[in-house]
Amino acid sequence: QKEVEQDPGPLSVPEGAIVSLNCTYSNSAFQYFMWYRQYSRKGPELLMYTYSSGNKEDGRFTAQVDKSSKYISLFIRDSQPSDSATYLCAMIGKGGTSYGKLTFGQGTILTVHP
Amino acid sequence: DAGITQSPRHKVTETGTPVTLRCHQTENHRYMYWYRQDPGHGLRLIHYSYGVKDTDKGEVSDGYSVSRSKTEDFLLTLESATSSQTSVYFCATGLAGASNNEQFFGPGTRLTVL
Repeated sequence: QKEVEQDPGPLSVPEGAIVSLNCTYSNSAFQYFMWYRQYSRKGPELLMYTYSSGNKEDGRFTAQVDKSSKYISLFIRDSQPSDSATYLCAMIGKGGTSYGKLTFGQGTILTVHP
Repeated sequence: DAGITQSPRHKVTETGTPVTLRCHQTENHRYMYWYRQDPGHGLRLIHYSYGVKDTDKGEVSDGYSVSRSKTEDFLLTLESATSSQTSVYFCATGLAGASNNEQFFGPGTRLTVL
């Protein structure tokens, strides 16, 4: 069983929809949680970063962490065609921060159509 | 853009031949990583480096070796390429221990082993 599970989709939504992307994990040592966005044939880029449980909002994006359920989410409001990309969750435990070794989910392919 | 380049960007090779991929950074980041990305698996860590001549294995290191003789360069070598090593390879750099554990990714190298 993988440490981080992410539904690969693909997910197709109309412009303006609310998108929910999710990951579950099994390692209770994970404390830092990230979402990366990867456009086609590009490298991933950091989109959101959260520490421990709670919510974090940045414009149309909200990252949510529920450590009791080992579940993290990324919500995209008013989705745009430019949001079409692969979204990867990533996480790291406190002990791993000395080398920055991230554990990634499989990635979810999102398409927002006009 | 964190100033990370990868070369070559595309390569087709035959089974049994050695292959070296190069990652070059201009950001003076201490930490460097090599990942492979395959459908259904997300990003998997191959090897990483935490300083010049300091390297260690990641999750999928069999069949790969690395070297880092300068801060800015991190080489990934496939000693004898196999078809299972057909993949997209990403280099990343990071400031592990930084507040957000962000990694910066290169544009990727698409490798096909026939």
